[in-house]
Amino acid sequence: QVQLQESGPGLVKPSETLSLTCSVSGGSIGSYFWSLIRQPPGKGLEWIGCIYYSGNTNYNPSLNSRVTISVDTSKNQFSLKLSSVTAADTAVYYCARQGYNGWYFDLWGRGTLVTVSS
Amino acid sequence: QSVLTQPPSVSGAPGQRVTISCTGSSSNIGAGYDVHWYQQLPGTAPKLLIYGNNNRPSGVPDRFSGSKSGTSASLAITGLQAEDEADYYCQSYDSSLSGSVVFGGGTKLTVL
Repeated sequence: QVQLQESGPGLVKPSETLSLTCSVSGGSIGSYFWSLIRQPPGKGLEWIGCIYYSGNTNYNPSLNSRVTISVDTSKNQFSLKLSSVTAADTAVYYCARQGYNGWYFDLWGRGTLVTVSS
Repeated sequence: QSVLTQPPSVSGAPGQRVTISCTGSSSNIGAGYDVHWYQQLPGTAPKLLIYGNNNRPSGVPDRFSGSKSGTSASLAITGLQAEDEADYYCQSYDSSLSGSVVFGGGTKLTVL
């Protein structure tokens, strides 16, 4: 079955750029929207943005100026870059697949903790 | 401050029925956007529980049901079991600004 796996450095310094890659296995990245969602320790969920396999993107307005999501269909991967990070960006970052007929998430990765600290 | 408002906690005894509310506004639930629900067990990723207001993905027991009315939605759990103890999140879409997926703040369900 289709699985998602997040990968990236667990520690990022303040003011630097957080980079994270989501790998899709067991199926094609095509024909779906793919999202990134984060959860600060002990807090709720926040949607970061999404990308279609064709490259069309949609970002959370509150993060729009710092977020870039890209897709590499040849590698069945999509990636996040979040610039100018602060301690407030410390969170578990999840990759998720959007449902085929709506703005919901039917498949999630296990998540990866990214800590922003010097 | 989440766009969708949920009670921080609810509780119930095994076998009982509990409901979790999710209150939005005219730019999200009230605008007709669907509400979806997720269950997050401790230390794990969220799992889709209800989509499109009242639809269960394959494998989700029929003890879980969703409803929506006006600017609010609810998740009902009947026949409460110890394994239902988890955090529950509602989610919708908000058309204000440039549009965005929005989540509730989450509700901790305790099975007494």
